[in-house]
Amino acid sequence: GQNIDQPTEMTATEGAIVQINCTYQTSGFNGLFWYQQHAGEAPTFLSYNVLDGLEEKGRFSSFLSRSKGYSYLLLKELQMKDSASYLCAVREGNYQLIWGAGTKLIIKP
Amino acid sequence: DVKVTQSSRYLVKRTGEKVFLECVQDMDHENMFWYRQDPGLGLRLIYFSYDVKMKEKGDIPEGYSVSREKKERFSLILESASTNQTSMYLCASSLRSDSYNSPLHFGNGTRLTVT
Repeated sequence: GQNIDQPTEMTATEGAIVQINCTYQTSGFNGLFWYQQHAGEAPTFLSYNVLDGLEEKGRFSSFLSRSKGYSYLLLKELQMKDSASYLCAVREGNYQLIWGAGTKLIIKP
Repeated sequence: DVKVTQSSRYLVKRTGEKVFLECVQDMDHENMFWYRQDPGLGLRLIYFSYDVKMKEKGDIPEGYSVSREKKERFSLILESASTNQTSMYLCASSLRSDSYNSPLHFGNGTRLTVT
């Protein structure tokens, strides 16, 4: 069946590095997305991976291993504004995205 | 920047009422989606549309219908609202289906409470 797993909640310290993992089992794969969602706001796009490896975009990087059904989002030099939920989603076919429940990241000073 | 606008941020309706949620996007996107978001669950797809007057059921279409008469507008209809439809509703749009890396652009959501 289809399944995407992420930790429910993580806590990290301002200025540190945090890695948010996502494992997936889907019947098809046309790429994996990461979104950020601040409380009460809409999700916003962070990254897309379709090939194995690391994609770096400023303080945020995303990694994909298709053979392991695994991705992670790496956040460096954490800032208080990074406190948010991070959503992992797999594009299974042409339209459908399968979503994880999201990881709530709490940043402490 | 893509803008997806949902007509209401908060709505309170009574059980049995017919409810309309409106969504408009300004970037000529082919695809539009309606999701609901509940605590502890991932986004769940209610309906989507890949062209004007076209609609496809998502994972949880029961109790809902949609309308897409114009490319920029996608409406979600709760035929007879029930308390288990209390939720955050998110509208999204994206470019055509063969652009696999095309992300979804979301509206700010409508928090619907059915009493």
